[in-house]
Amino acid sequence: DTAVSQTPKYLVTQMGNDKSIKCEQNLGHDTMYWYKQDSKKFLKIMFSYNNKELIINETVPNRFSPKSPDKAHLNLHINSLELGDSAVYFCASSGGTVVGNQPQHFGDGTRLSIL
Amino acid sequence: AQSVTQPDIHITVSEGASLELRCNYSYGATPYLFWYVQSPGQGLQLLLKYFSGDTLVQGIKGFEAEFKRSQSSFNLRKPSVHWSDAAEYFCAVGAPGTASKLTFGTGTRLQVTL
Repeated sequence: DTAVSQTPKYLVTQMGNDKSIKCEQNLGHDTMYWYKQDSKKFLKIMFSYNNKELIINETVPNRFSPKSPDKAHLNLHINSLELGDSAVYFCASSGGTVVGNQPQHFGDGTRLSIL
Repeated sequence: AQSVTQPDIHITVSEGASLELRCNYSYGATPYLFWYVQSPGQGLQLLLKYFSGDTLVQGIKGFEAEFKRSQSSFNLRKPSVHWSDAAEYFCAVGAPGTASKLTFGTGTRLQVTL
């Protein structure tokens, strides 16, 4: 009954590869997000989707491509992985599109390690 | 643009002692403010939030936070810390009415000694 679930939990791969991270939420929320947490624990938003439409794109390299097949899913595909992509990636969801009384609920994260 | 500062990178307290984690924000008006906790290997869990009204807000796990506009602060407090409170704590700010963008502080790591 996990609210926001991400797979895989750990991902180890080599530089130059392409990988995907999946996210699903069963909260009935309209909005989903991807965050990147670096080695210093700094958490920064990457993307936000509302009802499958992109609403936030924080100057992320175009090697990163989010895809939302429906409002319960937001996947993150990363092409040509680089060493600097090593981080923990968090998916989150919320019930609204604007900052209001709809807090964001986070998944447990995907730890991506680039060799 | 909004920003958040958490001045303390690492804090150690004894179990049973009181706790205060500092958070200062920068925003032109009254923002929405949040505290999240991250246990090792876990995602972020919302502890409490402030939108308007009473400046002292109560959260889960016995935490509370006080919004002080004059100091641009939203410090997190707990009267008696338990060993299970050891985790990373993040303060976040959001601009009301904007597209769901939260800005997080760099976090404070809490260590609890027995």
